[in-house]
Amino acid sequence: ILNVEQSPQSLHVQEGDSTNFTCSFPSSNFYALHWYRWETAKSPEALFVMTLNGDEKKKGRISATLNTKEGYSYLYIKGSQPEDSATYLCAFRGSGNQFYFGTGTSLTVIP
Amino acid sequence: EPEVTQTPSHQVTQMGQEVILRCVPISNHLYFYWYRQILGQKVEFLVSFYNNEISEKSEIFDDQFSVERPDGSNFTLKIRSTKLEDSAMYFCASSADTEAFFGQGTRLTVV
Repeated sequence: ILNVEQSPQSLHVQEGDSTNFTCSFPSSNFYALHWYRWETAKSPEALFVMTLNGDEKKKGRISATLNTKEGYSYLYIKGSQPEDSATYLCAFRGSGNQFYFGTGTSLTVIP
Repeated sequence: EPEVTQTPSHQVTQMGQEVILRCVPISNHLYFYWYRQILGQKVEFLVSFYNNEISEKSEIFDDQFSVERPDGSNFTLKIRSTKLEDSAMYFCASSADTEAFFGQGTRLTVV
């Protein structure tokens, strides 16, 4: 299985704190990197699709960066709110188009 | 907008019984996935399926589990003899070459 790793596995932060987590993926045969937000008992919500080295995407307080040469992407949340509590899942897509998902980072924001 | 649909939304079964979880992927998609999330735990990959065969599976996906496309449109996950620890939300996803889409999930409760 192609290795997509996310760290940390889980994270607890105080409301208002900023946080970030990492997705590591193979640097060869890269096509795209996807981030999803997955709340418990709901289906995942697509956040970003990133394709170019150096890409930065932003959606409200959430942003992501991409380094395809070294095989990592960071997801940042500025001023975390309780509603940000979810699992954040990244997925690597290679030239074959199959998605390889990481195991997720579970974020809990404590009010 | 096309969507992935899963049925049933909630299934309660006796321990040791067989269950079949059904998914209708988006019609032109080629890759299919099953994930699960046990309450309070992280998202777990089960299996990916392409070209009518399993392309990858995790350690969780043992002999008790099987997947198939019985009629070219449905994508099913069968658990032959359910255990209490199989209680979880099961999510199906499908992808083509742009984005992966997830269903709303089936909550499986084994009693």
